[in-house]
Amino acid sequence: AQTVTQSQPEMSVQEAETVTLSCTYDTSENNYYLFWYKQPPSRQMILVIRQEAYKQQNATENRFSVNFQKAAKSFSLKISDSQLGDTAMYFCALGGGGGAQKLVFGQGTRLTINP
Amino acid sequence: DAGVIQSPRHEVTEMGQEVTLRCKPISGHNSLFWYRQTMMRGLELLIYFNNNVPIDDSGMPEDRFSAKMPNASFSTLKIQPSEPRDSAVYFCASSPVGGPSAKNIQYFGAGTRLSVL
Repeated sequence: AQTVTQSQPEMSVQEAETVTLSCTYDTSENNYYLFWYKQPPSRQMILVIRQEAYKQQNATENRFSVNFQKAAKSFSLKISDSQLGDTAMYFCALGGGGGAQKLVFGQGTRLTINP
Repeated sequence: DAGVIQSPRHEVTEMGQEVTLRCKPISGHNSLFWYRQTMMRGLELLIYFNNNVPIDDSGMPEDRFSAKMPNASFSTLKIQPSEPRDSAVYFCASSPVGGPSAKNIQYFGAGTRLSVL
């Protein structure tokens, strides 16, 4: 069975600081994908960043980057120069490779950016 | 593109009533997923379809829940009869399958908040 664990239920930082959200996962597949989704108070699920397991290079999207440690099954999200609009729930998700597969989500981390 | 469209946005009903949630996936996407989000259980997959065919319904909680996808542009999730413990946010997501643009990314609708009194 695939599992995703987010060990930080809540985090809070000041605007412009850098924050790292942790995620660990477990899967027996060799080919899989990892995602971070953001859910602001509007409850819309928004894709933040995606990582393919076979790629060693860490994915980056503007202020968002990941630290993917395949052997340790760790997939953390770093937000640089945090902004008030980054305040949201952040979910780590694991998806299988090869066609459409379901996503398994972690329990989420509630991130608050303070002015 | 309009994105994944779900209706209604909010639904309040009484225990025992039938509830139907609707979803229109992104045009051209051939996979569709129904998720449920609660405080206790987080986000969990209920069922997903590939090319209108149900592939995995192991997450459907019980026989009171049913889902259909009569064509590529429409899906429903029905609860009959509804119970207070069904209160949750229900999300629909769609994904393109295959090809370099697919990337296994799921695009979510805005969700339906269901309250069963």
